[in-house]
Formats: sequence, C-alpha cells, structure tokens
Amino acid sequence: DAGVIQSPRHEVTEMGQEVTLRCKPISGHNSLFWYRQTMMRGLELLIYFNNNVPIDDSGMPEDRFSAKMPNASFSTLKIQPSEPRDSAVYFCASSQDRGGSYEQYFGPGTRLTVT
Amino acid sequence: SQKIEQNSEALNIQEGKTATLTCNYTNYSPAYLQWYRQDPGRGPVFLLLIRENEKEKRKERLKVTFDTTLKQSLFHITASQPADSATYLCALDGRGYSTLTFGKGTMLLVSP
Repeated sequence: DAGVIQSPRHEVTEMGQEVTLRCKPISGHNSLFWYRQTMMRGLELLIYFNNNVPIDDSGMPEDRFSAKMPNASFSTLKIQPSEPRDSAVYFCASSQDRGGSYEQYFGPGTRLTVT
Repeated sequence: SQKIEQNSEALNIQEGKTATLTCNYTNYSPAYLQWYRQDPGRGPVFLLLIRENEKEKRKERLKVTFDTTLKQSLFHITASQPADSATYLCALDGRGYSTLTFGKGTMLLVSP
C-alpha cells in the first residue's frame, strides 16, 4: 500500500480564499483523523471519522472549517474563508479502528501558508 | 485540566549513549500510551505501544516504560546513532473509543 496520501503538499493562498485539503487513507482502515500542527500548539486533533461518519469535531476551531468523508477512500478538509492564523501543517492519519490500541498512520502533511 | 508534558528543550547526546525521553501526564487515566517519531517535513511514524498493565515494552534498541502511579512514561534508545536524531512524540488515550492526544514532542540530537 502507498500509505496515506495527501494533496497538495504545499498551499499558499491569500486571506479570504477557500482552501481544500485532500486525503486518501490506507485501504481497509475505517478511522480517519485530521490534525493541525504548529510550533506553539503542537499536534492537535481537529476531527475524526469512523466508517465515514464524523464522530468528534470538537477540535474544529470554528465554522470556517468543515470536513467531509463521502466514501471510505477520500476525505476533505475545507477552510472558507482562510485567515493568516490558519497557517500550519495539516496532517491526515488513518488507523484500522478507533481507540488507543490502534496505531495511526500519518500522511506527509500539507503545509498551508495564508498571506 | 488535562496535560501531557514532554521536555521542550532538545536532548543532545553522543553516539553510542542511551537516550532517555520523558512523558508526564496529569488528569488522564490512559489505557494505552504510544510513541511516535517525526522527522522534519514528514508525518509522525508509530514506534511502540504499551498498555496500562504492562510495565515495559521493548523493540530492538527501543524500550518504553509505563508507570501509572507516577503518571509517566520513559522512552529509551540504547546505542544511539546519528540517524536516531528526530522529534519523539508521546500520545495517550482516554478510555473506551477515545482518540489519542499527543504531547508536543522532544527533539533528540545524536552527535557522532
């Protein structure tokens, strides 16, 4: 398997623009996680899905952020409108199931810069 | 409030020595604790998982301990090599089907 695939790897956009990040999890994994990483706050969970259903979105910072998982092999994280404080590295991860007994496999991340 | 604390200062050691990284937590009762490695520009990579009823886990040159009384996990790399230089993150869960919460990580620098 190719591992978790994320696109784009880098995104530079202007404040106010819409940004869409994409993720393809590992085949057969039924849990998918979106994280944001910054120097100040570390790796923060934004939202996670189990069997394509959003389970916990309490980490989504505000209504400007939304995430979807239309099928088992694809998820998107959208920011609209984007702001400079959204600049961070966004990771997608997948695991066989939810819970602490399962290791998570991370994608390479999308580095987002909002100017 | 819940906290996971890892030393924010980088750990510098010489090649061949044992590196020991610490993960302390408060207001958690994790059933599992995991350690990950992260290289610059890459996503974290899973290394080891230890359960609450396990005191110690080993994998090649890696050893993890888990003390639920002290609320602490120690991560050891024996015979360290420059290739071990990276940031190491601990992560722990709550109970049931809760997800992992990650510490901010400690950077390890192994000099030849």
